Amino acid sequence: DQQVKQNSPSLSVQEGRISILNCDYTNSMFDYFLWYKKYPAEGPTFLISISSIKDKNEDGRFTVFLNKSAKHLSLHIVPSQPGDSAVYFCAASPKTSYDKVIFGPGTSLSVIP
Amino acid sequence: EAGVAQSPRYKIIEKRQSVAFWCNPISGHATLYWYQQILGQGPKLLIQFQNNGVVDDSQLPKDRFSAERLKGVDSTLKIQPAKLEDSAVYLCASSLATGGWHEQYFGPGTRLTVT
Repeated sequence: DQQVKQNSPSLSVQEGRISILNCDYTNSMFDYFLWYKKYPAEGPTFLISISSIKDKNEDGRFTVFLNKSAKHLSLHIVPSQPGDSAVYFCAASPKTSYDKVIFGPGTSLSVIP
Repeated sequence: EAGVAQSPRYKIIEKRQSVAFWCNPISGHATLYWYQQILGQGPKLLIQFQNNGVVDDSQLPKDRFSAERLKGVDSTLKIQPAKLEDSAVYLCASSLATGGWHEQYFGPGTRLTVT
């Protein structure tokens, strides 16, 4: 039972263009949403988050959008850089237990110079 | 600030053998997590400690997996006996506290191959 879904296993984008990574969730109890980034042979690192009371959160080149009615969120990276090439995990936590993070399967992003 | 340390980085064992992984969290972090990441999947929580007490071990296969955090700092995760399906990366993470959202900091992981 996959509660957090990332239906695109991989994505290729030209340097300088926008990267859009999508994520869907099924559990209506999820209240806090996160994106983690993972380079090979390293652990995931936190990138950006959004609370369910917001629909957008921006941090530099990274913006996360949340559509609660559709149970959908997306991560936009503008402009994309070769150093952004990594696996991106979408994750979510329920209000009752914010430290219970449920991860999606990840999307591998390749930014082509 | 030193990050989360894990060892070994890689381990290859035969099925039915035992293996142990070690984790040293970021200094001062009360909460420690062990995750299992199977190839092509996201990390899945196995066990969560708050100081030296277990907060959640509901997804830990207790017939073969065990974990401890005796002094509330370092932790070990053991598998005995290992099965082929235990091949995965085992990630340790730590955070300042529990309750409310606190960023989890991950170590580099231990890649286990069971043959």
